[in-house]
Amino acid sequence: EAQVTQNPRYLITVTGKKLTVTCSQNMNHEYMSWYRQDPGLGLRQIYYSMNVEVTDKGDVPEGYKVSRKEKRNFPLILESPSPNQTSLYFCASSALPDRGGAQPQHFGDGTRLSIL
Amino acid sequence: SQQGEEDPQALSIQEGENATMNCSYKTSINNLQWYRQNSGRGLVHLILIRSNEREKHSGRLRVTLDTSKKSSSLLITASRAADTASYFCATAPNTGGFKTIFGAGTRLFVKA
Repeated sequence: EAQVTQNPRYLITVTGKKLTVTCSQNMNHEYMSWYRQDPGLGLRQIYYSMNVEVTDKGDVPEGYKVSRKEKRNFPLILESPSPNQTSLYFCASSALPDRGGAQPQHFGDGTRLSIL
Repeated sequence: SQQGEEDPQALSIQEGENATMNCSYKTSINNLQWYRQNSGRGLVHLILIRSNEREKHSGRLRVTLDTSKKSSSLLITASRAADTASYFCATAPNTGGFKTIFGAGTRLFVKA
């Protein structure tokens, strides 16, 4: 079954304690992305990756890091989390965008982060 | 700022009625996509329309795209209670890079 798997699904932590949210996909997709969703703001893209070792900033990259060492994995790292990073986070993957534009993205079930 | 803006923010209709949601965007695009999200779950892709297409159908869904007005609409015909969800448009601007920009979404409530 085609899947994007995020872990953990829920996390409550404290300011400044480094955390990593993992994301893995089994569809051999080149494109992977992280979004945060906040009430009234829709989804905002944090980072995306076009392939292994190729990452780029989305609209809200501040305070986040990513890495793409393997094609299937795209972890999101919060080195020093702050309360304003409390949000619902989604990982997504798709085939590589072509001249026709972006491809349909498959989403994980989300990770709800609360930073106190 | 958000590339896609959905309108209305919320919509409540009776089962069997049609639901229309609109999306406006700011820059030129290659395609526009619509997604659905059930109550805090991951988004599910519904339909993709390319910039050289004006209308596309998929089951009870009909999407139109007007690139001159930079707008799109999603029509759900004969709505069902199970259509209750949030609906988002997503665009990939033609400005270099491969960002995806989502609008704030329309919350649809279909009453049985």
